[in-house]
Amino acid sequence: DFVMTQSPDSLAVSLGERATINCKSSQSVLYSFNNKNSLAWYQQKPGQPPRLLIYWASTRESGVPDRFSGSGSGTDFTLTISSLQAEDVAVYYCHQYYSGLTFGGGTKVEIK
Amino acid sequence: EVQLVESGGGLVQPGGSLRLSCAASGFTFSNSWMAWVRQAPGKGPEWVANIKPDGSEKYYVDSVKGRFTISRDNANNSLFLQMNSLRAEDTAVYYCIVAPRWGQGTLVTVSS
Repeated sequence: DFVMTQSPDSLAVSLGERATINCKSSQSVLYSFNNKNSLAWYQQKPGQPPRLLIYWASTRESGVPDRFSGSGSGTDFTLTISSLQAEDVAVYYCHQYYSGLTFGGGTKVEIK
Repeated sequence: EVQLVESGGGLVQPGGSLRLSCAASGFTFSNSWMAWVRQAPGKGPEWVANIKPDGSEKYYVDSVKGRFTISRDNANNSLFLQMNSLRAEDTAVYYCIVAPRWGQGTLVTVSS
């Protein structure tokens, strides 16, 4: 079974500074069919459904600000918010869809 | 554009049943693995069940095996989750997913 380990559990960053969230999979999520990593990142605010930010590890969803970026391959992935804005306060989850669906435990991002 | 619209949630007593539906559009439903994911209040997402495009294979999280049944109607682009013998711990927002995209969810509350 896949285990997705996210770190840190919470993160306080000053406005305009960089936020970095890590996600490690217990197995590779590289899909040989298209040589892409089946890894997505979501943002969730209270009372709202998760919002897709990044899929295939680094493809930004339409409408997502370019301050959000995803990187990594195989088992290690990173979500970076290049310049934190107040509206980015949320919980962020990583999610593998290579085999079934498995989620990271979430990272709460706050303003310092 | 992928659209997933869930319905059928509500308040039910312990031991009761509910049938969730998901109307899908904007992609080739009959070629897609589909899944249900739930999120209990204050918790992270949890995969519940998924189903192969032709419906021939179905997988469930251990906690719902024998109680929940996932099914699909490819002619009408619909996904279903029959939930029986509901427990308080099944209380959650249930989301229909075609990875990595999610619907808006439907709330299931199990309480007397």
